[in-house]
Amino acid sequence: SQQGEEDPQALSIQEGENATMNCSYKTSINNLQWYRQNSGRGLVHLILIRSNEREKHSGRLRVTLDTSKKSSSLLITASRAADTASYFCATDAGGNNRLAFGKGNQVVVIP
Amino acid sequence: DAGVIQSPRHEVTEMGQEVTLRCKPISGHNSLFWYRQTMMRGLELLIYFNNNVPIDDSGMPEDRFSAKMPNASFSTLKIQPSEPRDSAVYFCATSIGVWTEAFFGQGTRLTVV
Repeated sequence: SQQGEEDPQALSIQEGENATMNCSYKTSINNLQWYRQNSGRGLVHLILIRSNEREKHSGRLRVTLDTSKKSSSLLITASRAADTASYFCATDAGGNNRLAFGKGNQVVVIP
Repeated sequence: DAGVIQSPRHEVTEMGQEVTLRCKPISGHNSLFWYRQTMMRGLELLIYFNNNVPIDDSGMPEDRFSAKMPNASFSTLKIQPSEPRDSAVYFCATSIGVWTEAFFGQGTRLTVV
């Protein structure tokens, strides 16, 4: 099965609230990445966390990685309408250089 | 840099026809990935190249699909003959080396009727 599987949920939140989404994977990884996709567009890289890191921040984004549980979470703080998108996690699928994506989480931020 | 450039952006073709999708990677990127995205199956990795050499094509669904990368500046994904179930958005993505940030093109929306 594909590496990187987000919790299959669609989030609908009010602007200003925080949004959290999770991702689990099955085999060992070198790193895990999160991407955003706006409707009808290509994916855009958000943040990369290495297997020896536990937490990483980038602006309003916070990513955690728990290698013992083979899971990661992405937190978007103080959400904005422009954050409305699908969010994907991706892993290097056990180190064989294949960048494999999960099915994505759709987030809708209501102004 | 203009980013990863894919062409065409949209393609509508009849079943049985040959379809060729094109990708121009970012200069200096030596890894190139072809993905297919559908509502049902999500984002599937079809094939990836490293330094113009196909490394893993296990995601290519059938022999009707083929991909080439004749040089560092160009790659094609060909479907021959095309079928309605091939309808999807096809993305090309490139990166510097492996395990790094991938840059995606805008995709080609393929409709086979």
